[in-house]
Amino acid sequence: DAGVTQSPTHLIKTRGQQVTLRCSPKSGHDTVSWYQQALGQGPQFIFQYYEEEERQRGNFPDRFSGHQFPNYSSELNVNALLLGDSALYLCASSLDPGLPLYEQYFGPGTRLTVT
Amino acid sequence: GDSVTQMEGPVTLSEEAFLTINCTYTATGYPSLFWYVQYPGEGLQLLLKATKADDKGSNKGFEATYRKETTSFHLEKGSVQVSDSAVYFCALSERNTPLVFGKGTRLSVIA
Repeated sequence: DAGVTQSPTHLIKTRGQQVTLRCSPKSGHDTVSWYQQALGQGPQFIFQYYEEEERQRGNFPDRFSGHQFPNYSSELNVNALLLGDSALYLCASSLDPGLPLYEQYFGPGTRLTVT
Repeated sequence: GDSVTQMEGPVTLSEEAFLTINCTYTATGYPSLFWYVQYPGEGLQLLLKATKADDKGSNKGFEATYRKETTSFHLEKGSVQVSDSAVYFCALSERNTPLVFGKGTRLSVIA
């Protein structure tokens, strides 16, 4: 049973560019959450998708947007990249957002470097 | 808002030493508390959890007790191994709100 997978593993972009990160949830899971983990910091919640809609959102600007597909996979898009967007982006999947959020399974992350 | 404060690392211990990583929290209500572990090159894994005061979470020899009176959830292990080397995150969640993490504590165990 595959766990949460993310692609790509690493990515280098230039300031002002746009980037798309992808996540496939654990088999059977229908909810996807995205977190940003800056170097030396704990993960910070970006948003959560359920039934192809954004259900909750953290304190991130509109440059950060997402999408969930009918197969429950998800994309995170970041526009007009800033140097400060350099971080590890983690995807987590879970069943039913009505359940306690701690039942989340995390992927290995995508390391984004903005130059 | 809610927040989690962890002791700063890195923490370096010899194999079989006793481990304590301190964690305190601030929350408006009665959160659930968690410890996650991140091994090199991997995602976060839930290590243990506690959902109410005086609950003790335990897993793989690690333990943490939910102390409401001191707003703490310290992680302990009686005898660490080299394989325990990782970054440990304390986190909380209140009534299905997103997880709030501490900054993490890097543990290095040397043989």
